[in-house]
Amino acid sequence: EAGVAQSPRYKIIEKRQSVAFWCNPISGHATLYWYQQILGQGPKLLIQFQNNGVVDDSQLPKDRFSAERLKGVDSTLKIQPAKLEDSAVYLCASSLDLGVYGTDTQYFGPGTRLTVL
Amino acid sequence: AQSVTQLGSHVSVSEGALVLLRCNYSSSVPPYLFWYVQYPNQGLQLLLKYTTGATLVKGINGFEAEFKKSETSFHLTKPSAHMSDAAEYFCAVRGAGTALIFGKGTTLSVSS
Repeated sequence: EAGVAQSPRYKIIEKRQSVAFWCNPISGHATLYWYQQILGQGPKLLIQFQNNGVVDDSQLPKDRFSAERLKGVDSTLKIQPAKLEDSAVYLCASSLDLGVYGTDTQYFGPGTRLTVL
Repeated sequence: AQSVTQLGSHVSVSEGALVLLRCNYSSSVPPYLFWYVQYPNQGLQLLLKYTTGATLVKGINGFEAEFKKSETSFHLTKPSAHMSDAAEYFCAVRGAGTALIFGKGTTLSVSS
């Protein structure tokens, strides 16, 4: 079974530029998560999708971050314009969510390391 | 609200020694608890999880954790460390939804 795929793996941009990250979850997984992991900290949820609907985006800085999940499969996370404090690893995760609420394993992709100069 | 505190940002052990990584949680509902491992430049991999039932949970690679409600703890242990165990370890609790709330992580170093 293929894992969660993310691209690019690394990205370096200047502040105020825009950037986009792509995630392809495990086939058949209904739920998709984007987490931000700042150096020295644990991952923090940015947004959660159930199929193509948003479940939780309460911690997404909506003035600069946006995300979509077209057709309930792939997802794109965008930052525009980027700030220095956006330097982090952006992790995508997916889970089956078979109805046993909260117990499904989240499978993580390798992440995209963003450096904002 | 749910939260996790990992005690010790860095733990060093010798190969063959006991590994003990500490995690305390706070949760307003019965907690679902997780331990993940992260190797350099890789995503997080689930080691084990506690949902309900048996409080001693066995995971992959010889790791186990015990849920202690009275101590609000979920410490991770392994009887004998191996060089390949060197990595960063994250304790997490399920939040209000199904997303996870992670601790700051503990880096495990193993020396020969």
